[in-house]
Amino acid sequence: GENVEQHPSTLSVQEGDSAVIKCTYSDSASNYFPWYKQELGKRPQLIIDIRSNVGEKKDQRIAVTLNKTAKHFSLHITETQPEDSAVYFCAASKGSNYQLIWGAGTKLIIKP
Amino acid sequence: NAGVTQTPKFRVLKTGQSMTLLCAQDMNHEYMYWYRQDPGMGLRLIHYSVGEGTTAKGEVPDGYNVSRLKKQNFLLGLESAAPSQTSVYFCASRRPENYEQYFGPGTRLTVT
Repeated sequence: GENVEQHPSTLSVQEGDSAVIKCTYSDSASNYFPWYKQELGKRPQLIIDIRSNVGEKKDQRIAVTLNKTAKHFSLHITETQPEDSAVYFCAASKGSNYQLIWGAGTKLIIKP
Repeated sequence: NAGVTQTPKFRVLKTGQSMTLLCAQDMNHEYMYWYRQDPGMGLRLIHYSVGEGTTAKGEVPDGYNVSRLKKQNFLLGLESAAPSQTSVYFCASRRPENYEQYFGPGTRLTVT
């Protein structure tokens, strides 16, 4: 079946440095790719998303890039801050109702 | 607006007991979802609904049933709980034209 692989499972970066999280997907029909952030004990919340007709999207310190040919997409966070510490999930759409297939998550740790 | 709410927040069941989790949203969203979240496995879709009176199976539907009698409510039932159903359960909702899913705060269920 369709799946989404996410790497790394844990990422530790120095405050102020950049962080990159990568995902690959298997369903070539997927055309919507969101990223959610989940702080400890909280609900997942959307931070950025991208559709298949766009190669890159930015929102302040966060950017997402998409390579449809290779079927992978990445989250880039620049100038990391302590409040960026969380688990980040990628997902890819499936089917006409845009169900989501989720990656296993990346725990991002920002070291002071 | 309360957004998406879930009842109860925590529950401990014995093997074989039954229970119903309630998800309610006040955003007039058509689509609603039930996920389970287990460590290292991301979010897995149990069942979903694309409108009042409709339900469909997701990736891991076995052992669960759902009902959507009212547009604002989506119920998840466990008829005979098993230890493998110990998890955190999240409900989410969205509009058909907007792919962002809005999550509830989660229900932590332990089956002993």
